[in-house]
Amino acid sequence: DAGVIQSPRHEVTEMGQEVTLRCKPISGHNSLFWYRQTMMRGLELLIYFNNNVPIDDSGMPEDRFSAKMPNASFSTLKIQPSEPRDSAVYFCASRFRGSGTDTQYFGPGTRLTVL
Amino acid sequence: AQTVTQSQPEMSVQEAETVTLSCTYDTSESDYYLFWYKQPPSRQMILVIRQEAYKQQNATENRFSVNFQKAAKSFSLKISDSQLGDAAMYFCAYRRRTDKLIFGTGTRLQVFP
Repeated sequence: DAGVIQSPRHEVTEMGQEVTLRCKPISGHNSLFWYRQTMMRGLELLIYFNNNVPIDDSGMPEDRFSAKMPNASFSTLKIQPSEPRDSAVYFCASRFRGSGTDTQYFGPGTRLTVL
Repeated sequence: AQTVTQSQPEMSVQEAETVTLSCTYDTSESDYYLFWYKQPPSRQMILVIRQEAYKQQNATENRFSVNFQKAAKSFSLKISDSQLGDAAMYFCAYRRRTDKLIFGTGTRLQVFP
């Protein structure tokens, strides 16, 4: 089975540009999570969705960040405008909510560099 | 608020030896889950092992096992017969019945031949 798919794997952009990160969760999973990993702050949850509905976006740093999940098989995280401090690895994870341990499975991450 | 603490920023072990990574957490909940994730240089987050708090029996997955001490809020990971491929960052994580995973700061494990 395919795992969580993220694209692009690497993104280099200039300050002020719009960045869109994409995620395809594991088929059948009904919860999706966006995380950010930096050296300074470690792994932080940005937002998560249950059944395509945003449940908790308290981790979204600023209004420049937005996330959508238009259907069960696709989600985007958008940064507009991007800033150098947004440079990080962004992970998407999914799980099937309602099973026993509800384990989250992570994608390979997108390394974002904002110059 | 729940917190997860990994007090060992770095650990090292000789190949074929055993190493234990420490994790403590703080919570007032009684029903929760604990996880160890491995992050190799590829940056992929890989689930190593999980433990349900209501289970007294320690989880085991091949060479990986945990020592879960609920009263002490301790959840250590033991890696037996260490292999070069075990070298990675290891993150301890906590989740109560709601959906947030809370991660520790990680322990970097080096494995020497």
